[in-house]
Amino acid sequence: DTGVSQDPRHKITKRGQNVTFRCDPISEHNRLYWYRQTLGQGPEFLTYFQNEAQLEKSRLLSDRFSAERPKGSFSTLEIQRTEQGDSAMYLCASTSGDSEAFFGQGTRLTVV
Amino acid sequence: GQQVMQIPQYQHVQEGEDFTTYCNSSTTLSNIQWYKQRPGGHPVFLIQLVKSGEVKKQKRLTFQFGEAKKNSSLHITATQTTDVGTYFCAGRGASGSRLTFGEGTQLTVNP
Repeated sequence: DTGVSQDPRHKITKRGQNVTFRCDPISEHNRLYWYRQTLGQGPEFLTYFQNEAQLEKSRLLSDRFSAERPKGSFSTLEIQRTEQGDSAMYLCASTSGDSEAFFGQGTRLTVV
Repeated sequence: GQQVMQIPQYQHVQEGEDFTTYCNSSTTLSNIQWYKQRPGGHPVFLIQLVKSGEVKKQKRLTFQFGEAKKNSSLHITATQTTDVGTYFCAGRGASGSRLTFGEGTQLTVNP
């Protein structure tokens, strides 16, 4: 296992377009987290899954954001009608229970 | 909701000086973790603290978890240029709940 993988690494999109990111966690990990990080800030929690169940979603998160984790394996994060304020690094992390989080390299989104 | 705050936001030190970053939670934590993020990289796990008053050491790094399980600190003795990066604490409320990160302390070490 090579760790947490995220695809794509970079995405440039025009305002108003939809984008989808993918995260492949470490295979035996049951929890998967999505975070957003902007320059000089800490990772901001977006949502997390335990197996295929989405257990929590940030109240700050617009309804333009949706995430899925079908079959409890990989996850996708979709942003509809992107805005310039959505530009950020989107990080995925996986854990086994309450243990340490392993992060992927992230997807850097630029909305122009 | 749970909030995790860190101070200072930035710290500049001369190589060989000590460094400390502090983390405070608005709620009692079941555990707290510390991560390091190098410029251009992603957060990398350093350690997890679970017990009230717990102290753990990793070479020049000392981690503490407060008695009330609402605060924590990371102390680096005799900093080196390889210590450069941003240090984040991340707290978990009840077991199985979300992992909330602080804003981080960005450490710069001047040789």
